[in-house]
Order: sequence, then structure tokens, then C-alpha cells
Amino acid sequence: KAGVTQTPRYLIKTRGQQVTLSCSPISGHRSVSWYQQTPGQGLQFLFEYFSETQRNKGNFPGRFSGRQFSNSRSEMNVSTLELGDSALYLCASSLGLRTDPPDTQYFGPGTRLTVL
Amino acid sequence: KQEVTQIPAALSVPEGENLVLNCSFTDSAIYNLQWFRQDPGKGLTSLLLIQSSQREQTSGRLNASLDKSSGRSTLYIAASQPGDSATYLCAVKLWGGTASKLTFGTGTRLQVTL
Repeated sequence: KAGVTQTPRYLIKTRGQQVTLSCSPISGHRSVSWYQQTPGQGLQFLFEYFSETQRNKGNFPGRFSGRQFSNSRSEMNVSTLELGDSALYLCASSLGLRTDPPDTQYFGPGTRLTVL
Repeated sequence: KQEVTQIPAALSVPEGENLVLNCSFTDSAIYNLQWFRQDPGKGLTSLLLIQSSQREQTSGRLNASLDKSSGRSTLYIAASQPGDSATYLCAVKLWGGTASKLTFGTGTRLQVTL
């Protein structure tokens, strides 16, 4: 069973540009979550998509947005890039069920974004 | 707001040593706590997950304990090996919702030397 894949793996952009990152979840998984990892702030939750709807949201400005397609693949978009957006962006997939206990998240390798 | 702290930030030990990584959290109303491993340039690999009703979980040379009342968890690694070198992260999930929206600690970077 293929794992979570993220493309591209590395990206260099300049301030003011926008960027789109892609995440393909494990087959059968309907939930995709996005996290930002920086040396200063660590790993922070961005948002979760389930069945094409945003279900959870972290504390990030509106420049960060996402969407999910009918095949559960998800994209994350960052507009008007700032130097502080340089980070490793990780996505994680899960079945997304509200079970007890909840199901496990599986993380992708991440996309390393550098903003110059 | 839940805050998760990991001490130490970095640790270097010789091969064969037993070691303990610490994780503390401010809000004891957690649903579960999970330990992850992150290798350089890679994503996260889940090591152990402890439900709030449990005290510990074991997998091979790894043992994780949870003390909700004191807001602490430890990850014990027995007979460390160079292949254990990585960053170890703990993450807590609060009650309610799905598996997402984990709150992560800042991590402990472990180096096991020959």
C-alpha cells in the first residue's frame, strides 16, 4: 500500500509570490491534515479537510488556504509569500472517522519551501 | 491553550546506553499522547500512542509512560543504537474530534555515537 506522497519535495519562491503544494493520501483515506514545521515554532496544525470540506482549522492567516478534491487529494495554497513562510510543510492522512479511539494519522515526507 | 514542552532539546549518548526523553503538557484533559520519530528530510513515523486511560505502552526497545495528573510523558529507549539517531516528537490530542489537530512538542534531537 503506497504511503502519503507530497509534491514537490523542494520549492524556492520569492516574497510576494504564491505557491501550491499537493498531497496524495493513502488509498481509502478521506482526511488530509496540513502542518507547518519551522525551527522557531515547531510543528503547527494548519487545517484538516474531510470529504472536500474543511473540518478543522489552526491559527494561521487567511493567506493560507486549502482544498480537497473528490479523490481525497489535497492542495494547500499560500498567497503573498513572506520570508517567515519558509518551512517544511507536512501533510497527514487518515480515515477521518470519529471513532473511539480515533484512527491513526500517517505523515508524508513533506515539502521544503524556501522563500527568498 | 495547550503547550507541549520537550526536554532536553538535544542529547548525545554512546551506543548501548539506556535513555529517557521527557515531554510535558499544560492541559491534562488530553485524549491521547503520541510519540513520533523524524529523520532528517523525512516525515514523521509514529512510534507509540497512549490513550488517556493508559499508563504505558511498549514496542520493542521503546516504552512510553503517561502521567496525566502531572502532565508528563516519558519515552524510554533501551540499549540505544546509532540507528536511533533522529528527532523525537511528542504530540497530544485533546478530547473531541478526529485524529487531526495534534499539538506537538518542540522535539528532542538524539544522537547515538559509536
